[in-house]
Amino acid sequence: NAGVTQTPKFRVLKTGQSMTLLCAQDMNHEYMYWYRQDPGMGLRLIHYSVGEGTTAKGEVPDGYNVSRLKKQNFLLGLESAAPSQTSVYFCASSYTTGNQPQHFGDGTRLSIL
Amino acid sequence: GENVEQHPSTLSVQEGDSAVIKCTYSDSASNYFPWYKQELGKGPQLIIDIRSNVGEKKDQRIAVTLNKTAKHFSLHITETQPEDSAVYFCTSGGGADGLTFGKGTHLIIQP
Repeated sequence: NAGVTQTPKFRVLKTGQSMTLLCAQDMNHEYMYWYRQDPGMGLRLIHYSVGEGTTAKGEVPDGYNVSRLKKQNFLLGLESAAPSQTSVYFCASSYTTGNQPQHFGDGTRLSIL
Repeated sequence: GENVEQHPSTLSVQEGDSAVIKCTYSDSASNYFPWYKQELGKGPQLIIDIRSNVGEKKDQRIAVTLNKTAKHFSLHITETQPEDSAVYFCTSGGGADGLTFGKGTHLIIQP
């Protein structure tokens, strides 16, 4: 039982490049989330999904897109990377939202040069 | 939206002493308050949670208290050990947007 798996673990991009971060969960959770973590800022919600085929904006959605084509996968895309998107990105999943714990992956460390 | 304030940002205690982290929240509709521990290079891991129909919950050396009237909740760690060194996040939930995180407390256990 792997829980929540994020790939890749590290990545360095040049400004303007695009990439996709993959999150996979094997717990049959309905809800999935993408956060970014920056020093002194805690975790901020980028986008989330309440089920297969659905997505919604979180606190800091600009510059990112997401897709949930399969229940177990949640993809985060950066179409044109900017240095301000240098961060650690965490994916999480939960059975429901708000009143159930979220289970986190170990993060993707992304640097934009 | 919900706002969660967490204090202190850094806490240094001697091994064996107790540590207390305090949080406040703004949304009176919030009813679920999990605490997460994040070790270096890892994702946050749930360590304990409390719901609004309970005032206190304990799990071995860890306890959480909740005061709904004052909208604050706290994490207490007793008999601290080196492996308790980490960043701790309080969170507040109950609405459609999931959990709102505090900015974290870096707990340092001095030998």
